Amino acid sequence: KAGVTQTPRYLIKTRGQQVTLSCSPISGHRSVSWYQQTPGQGLQFLFEYFSETQRNKGNFPGRFSGRQFSNSRSEMNVSTLELGDSALYLCASSLGEVEIHEQYFGPGTRLTVT
Amino acid sequence: GQNIDQPTEMTATEGAIVQINCTYQTSGFNGLFWYQQHAGEAPTFLSYNVLDGLEEKGRFSSFLSRSKGYSYLLLKELQMKDSASYLCAVMDSNYQLIWGAGTKLIIKP
Repeated sequence: KAGVTQTPRYLIKTRGQQVTLSCSPISGHRSVSWYQQTPGQGLQFLFEYFSETQRNKGNFPGRFSGRQFSNSRSEMNVSTLELGDSALYLCASSLGEVEIHEQYFGPGTRLTVT
Repeated sequence: GQNIDQPTEMTATEGAIVQINCTYQTSGFNGLFWYQQHAGEAPTFLSYNVLDGLEEKGRFSSFLSRSKGYSYLLLKELQMKDSASYLCAVMDSNYQLIWGAGTKLIIKP
């Protein structure tokens, strides 16, 4: 079974621009979560989507948004980029049903804002 | 607020045993996860505890005490490939994962 894939793997943007990141979950997984990872801060939860609906949201500004499509693929958008948005963005998928399941992570998108 | 604490860095010797601690304060509790993350790679699932006690899986074991808000990951017969960061995460009452900053484990020959 193919793993979680994320595109692009690396991205360089300038301040003020916007960016869209894509995540394809493992086949059959309906939940997709997005995280920001920076050195020393660990994983910061952005949001989680399940069956095209945002089910949970972290404490990030409205510049960070996402969506999920009917095939469970998800996109994350960051508008008006700031230098502090430079980070590794990870998405993780899970079965997402009532029972708790482990998350499977993609390789991440390394975003650099200059 | 919600908080997960784990040591920033630990060093151990190949072949030895190491225990990585994690303490937490969260709004509700629906289980605790341990993940391993090698440098430059994505985190991979190691264990899940929701009841008190020890769960053993090969060289790795994870312990949970809900009353103390405490868990540890025990790694036995350490190998060089165990050099990685170990992330502790707690699922809160909203089924949201709260993550610790991770413990970087350095294995020396």
